[in-house]
Amino acid sequence: GAVVSQHPSRVICKSGTSVKIECRSLDFQATTMFWYRQFPKQSLMLMATSNEGSKATYEQGVEKDKFLINHASLTLSTLTVTSAHPEDSSFYICSASGQGAGELFFGEGSRLTVL
Amino acid sequence: DAKTTQPTSMDCAEGRAANLPCNHSTISGNEYVYWYRQIHSQGPQYIIHGLKNNETNEMASLIITEDRKSSTLILPHATLRDTAVYYCIVRVWGGGADGLTFGKGTHLIIQP
Repeated sequence: GAVVSQHPSRVICKSGTSVKIECRSLDFQATTMFWYRQFPKQSLMLMATSNEGSKATYEQGVEKDKFLINHASLTLSTLTVTSAHPEDSSFYICSASGQGAGELFFGEGSRLTVL
Repeated sequence: DAKTTQPTSMDCAEGRAANLPCNHSTISGNEYVYWYRQIHSQGPQYIIHGLKNNETNEMASLIITEDRKSSTLILPHATLRDTAVYYCIVRVWGGGADGLTFGKGTHLIIQP
């Protein structure tokens, strides 16, 4: 099946710094990518939808200036957590969909810990 | 909001069939039933999907009731590695512009 890769898988940063997480579709062109956040023992929550070449669409309650999303190519989307704080510590997961594809493929996830 | 209801947790003995139920009484005619699972600290893994006919692949079988208001995912010979949270999701096929809405899923624990 299609592969979606995330990097880094784990990152620890100091409070106030910014962290970038990459999501790549390795063997297909992803016109749409999605970013999810998952807190411990909770389900995945959709944060934003990212379409190549256009601005991301954020879910209600997600700060677009804090979670910057860039989808500059059909194989790469990035999520930047700006001025991270301990409450931003979470498991961030991306997924990707090709044109007309029924399945969504997920990355391995990136665990962010903000000290 | 998730349009599905699943039991919070289930146990199954290793080697036995694991049957995971899902209720989706408000499913629309053009919505498919998808199943994903998430092993601890990993991204969700696609298992199977179906519209109204029963489906089988190398991982599992999906049984959908005739009225499509519920379905059952069957893992025929559960192993310890099948311990995971299983999510039942309804979604329009080809809805590439829409992200999946995850409910709380079922935590399946395979007992040795």
